[in-house]
Amino acid sequence: DSGVTQTPKHLITATGQRVTLRCSPRSGDLSVYWYQQSLDQGLQFLIQYYNGEERAKGNILERFSAQQFPDLHSELNLSSLELGDSALYFCASSVTGDVETQYFGPGTRLLVL
Amino acid sequence: AQKITQTQPGMFVQEKEAVTLDCTYDTSDPSYGLFWYKQPSSGEMIFLIYQGSYDQQNATEGRYSLNFQKARKSANLVISASQLGDSAMYFCAMREDLTSGTYKYIFGTGTRLKVLA
Repeated sequence: DSGVTQTPKHLITATGQRVTLRCSPRSGDLSVYWYQQSLDQGLQFLIQYYNGEERAKGNILERFSAQQFPDLHSELNLSSLELGDSALYFCASSVTGDVETQYFGPGTRLLVL
Repeated sequence: AQKITQTQPGMFVQEKEAVTLDCTYDTSDPSYGLFWYKQPSSGEMIFLIYQGSYDQQNATEGRYSLNFQKARKSANLVISASQLGDSAMYFCAMREDLTSGTYKYIFGTGTRLKVLA
């Protein structure tokens, strides 16, 4: 158990819908990362937050948005879902967000039908 | 052009032997970091090791070491004394440190390692 929690574990929804994935980092970790792993695109970095502010942005679509709240939990919002958004979404956390170990959550598996 | 290349889609190694997983990268930035992650069949992602572009020594973490050859732009992962539990998918990744003070992370396509008893 890495100490990073993600909810829900599984999510099945329909095209066009909107979902919210939630991540709670390890206690004391200020930085949260979001990754997407799909069969088509492989593993991709989406976005990183550090202490509530966006730190780095990867291949995150405009239909997707994220934020980190004052209690440091983070949410990834996916809207106007398409079949290709079906993937495993990982959240990871680290202390400061630079070079130290990242701890990953178990992931949320999203299936868009 | 691929920024991170893992040329070995799959590899086998005998238990207790060492194995090297290849990773080459491409960047013109002087400041970057290289990472390796492990993903067992259960699906979780595990961070293994990190090497900074300015680090003089090769990074080591237990049985894992990163063979960093800057001039050749390679960052191979060496696993010593392989164990059955090392069977997994391994991803190499690069973090480019952009001048804007932000980062860009790129992943390779992965190498599936199977350790044989």
